[in-house]
Amino acid sequence: DTGVSQNPRHKITKRGQNVTFRCDPISEHNRLYWYRQTLGQGPEFLTYFQNEAQLEKSRLLSDRFSAERPKGSFSTLEIQRTEQGDSAMYLCASSPNTISGNTIYFGEGSWLTVV
Amino acid sequence: DQQVKQNSPSLSVQEGRISILNCDYTNSMFDYFLWYKKYPAEGPTFLISISSIKDKNEDGRFTVFLNKSAKHLSLHIVPSQPGDSAVYFCAASDGPSGGGADGLTFGKGTHLIIQP
Repeated sequence: DTGVSQNPRHKITKRGQNVTFRCDPISEHNRLYWYRQTLGQGPEFLTYFQNEAQLEKSRLLSDRFSAERPKGSFSTLEIQRTEQGDSAMYLCASSPNTISGNTIYFGEGSWLTVV
Repeated sequence: DQQVKQNSPSLSVQEGRISILNCDYTNSMFDYFLWYKKYPAEGPTFLISISSIKDKNEDGRFTVFLNKSAKHLSLHIVPSQPGDSAVYFCAASDGPSGGGADGLTFGKGTHLIIQP
């Protein structure tokens, strides 16, 4: 399967714990995105990498959220000191870096439940 | 303030008929639009896109129409099939491509139900 891969698919954690999600983009895609989706809403953009450079991170929800893409391949999204309001689906997406008409392809998402 | 609006939370259509899903946007800088389909507990799946230099794009049973002056786009599915039952999201971008530093701005989605 050459799609965007995310793991874990489901995570239940206690409030205050740290969680980390991993994303493996489609190979040859040098753009990688993280989104969050809550019930009844569309996906909400969080951050964006081009290769290993994080070009946009001002939309991360708080300083408890951080993302890395150290070698320009896979990426991790970490949430520190989780709160119940962090419960959501976290989506990773990737796209190639072409001039026109890029399509962003999403992974299946990682569900987070904070209890 | 929502920049991409899907005003119908749900839509019920009989199998074999045409499904028309609507989307309005407010940001005149948006120049690339996409439709995604989403099943529960899965990520969105890309369906079809359109650049602002076009007013129509067709792919099989799916056609997207863009009316820039009205800031409105619509997705037509014909004929509708049971497997089309899902949530459909409209998304927009103001980058030269579909992503970039600002990502995509999504609507809240329309739940399409295809009835046999």
